[in-house]
Amino acid sequence: GAGVSQSPRYKVAKRGQDVALRCDPISGHVSLFWYQQALGQGPEFLTYFQNEAQLDKSGLPSDRFFAERPEGSVSTLKIQRTQQEDSAVYLCASSLQGRLQAWTKYEQYFGPGTRLTVT
Amino acid sequence: KNEVEQSPQNLTAQEGEFITINCSYSVGISALHWLQQHPGGGIVSLFMLSSGKKKHGRLIATINIQEKHSSLHITASHPRDSAVYICAVVDSGGGADGLTFGKGTHLIIQP
Repeated sequence: GAGVSQSPRYKVAKRGQDVALRCDPISGHVSLFWYQQALGQGPEFLTYFQNEAQLDKSGLPSDRFFAERPEGSVSTLKIQRTQQEDSAVYLCASSLQGRLQAWTKYEQYFGPGTRLTVT
Repeated sequence: KNEVEQSPQNLTAQEGEFITINCSYSVGISALHWLQQHPGGGIVSLFMLSSGKKKHGRLIATINIQEKHSSLHITASHPRDSAVYICAVVDSGGGADGLTFGKGTHLIIQP
């Protein structure tokens, strides 16, 4: 079956541009996570959705970052007025169950990531 | 927030060698994940542990909850094992809903 997909795979944006990154989770997965991975670093948590509800956005680095999952399936991470420090790989992961079960009893399935370069 | 440390950061070995990658964390956890990341970004989940030991093929993962330490072992290593191996934990105290990741161990297996 299909895994988690993300688009675009690569995005180059000029500083100040707005970008939108898309994540298609595995069908039926309740939980959806966004992570940011800077070069040479491990991923860092950005935000978490359980179905359409954004239950945790504590990792979003600034109010320029906005995520939504309006119908509880596809999610979009939007970055407004991009800055060079936003350059990173943005990873999406989904999991079958919600909240605690999502990471203690079930695997998270990761997408291939979107590599964002801000020039 | 949990602090996750991995060692070594970089490891180069010859094909066939036994490989050990270590992970330590600072506060109690509900679960620990070992992940493999290939060039290009794709991450694959290898193991999810909350106690004891798990084995899958040539890969073995162990965890010592009291010591706050986990190890990933690769037996009879092969060049296709070359990747970044990442340890990630789930805090037992709640906090953020996502995983807390280590920086990864960059493994190169030379033929």
